[in-house]
Amino acid sequence: AQSVAQPEDQVNVAEGNPLTVKCTYSVSGNPYLFWYVQYPNRGLQFLLKYITGDNLVKGSYGFEAEFNKSQTSFHLKKPSALVSDSALYFCAVRDMNDKIIFGKGTRLHILP
Amino acid sequence: SAVISQKPSRDICQRGTSLTIQCQVDSQVTMMFWYRQQPGQSLTLIATANQGSEATYESGFVIDKFPISRPNLTFSTLTVSNMSPEDSSIYLCSVRGQGYGYTFGSGTRLTVV
Repeated sequence: AQSVAQPEDQVNVAEGNPLTVKCTYSVSGNPYLFWYVQYPNRGLQFLLKYITGDNLVKGSYGFEAEFNKSQTSFHLKKPSALVSDSALYFCAVRDMNDKIIFGKGTRLHILP
Repeated sequence: SAVISQKPSRDICQRGTSLTIQCQVDSQVTMMFWYRQQPGQSLTLIATANQGSEATYESGFVIDKFPISRPNLTFSTLTVSNMSPEDSSIYLCSVRGQGYGYTFGSGTRLTVV
């Protein structure tokens, strides 16, 4: 079965520093991978996806993610963190029935 | 990408009652999904809503508790039946658009007292 793992419950980063939120995947076949963000009391917002093509995917709000097939990873990155980036981040994978399966989430705290 | 209108945004309900959540999409979509997000948890898929046929439920979710309707390609409802405090969660609908873009509704925050 398709799955993703987010090994960190929480990540703390100082404002202005680069940030990384980790995600590894386990899929059969080609992976369709996603990152979503959830701000407090708001819905789920799409950041970016990898379907095929370039391993470096650029998304919303200055975020990007690198697809690494050999390490089965799809880490989310941003060169310079903002306090407003503080939120809950979910990595997700599409399964063979077109359903989206989510990781447990990583809470990102950007410290001023 | 599709735009989803989900109602209500929040509700406080008495135990033993039922709540119906609605999702309206601004375009026709084949697949609609319903998720539950329990407090402090990730999103768990409840079921896939199919137009013209019964919904397909994930393990641990049953139709008697979470009946779903899908009368057309732009609308679906999820009912949370005979509620208990354990049903307090955020419920979200989602659709798969073109290019594997999955859009989510803003969610319904349900509190059962």
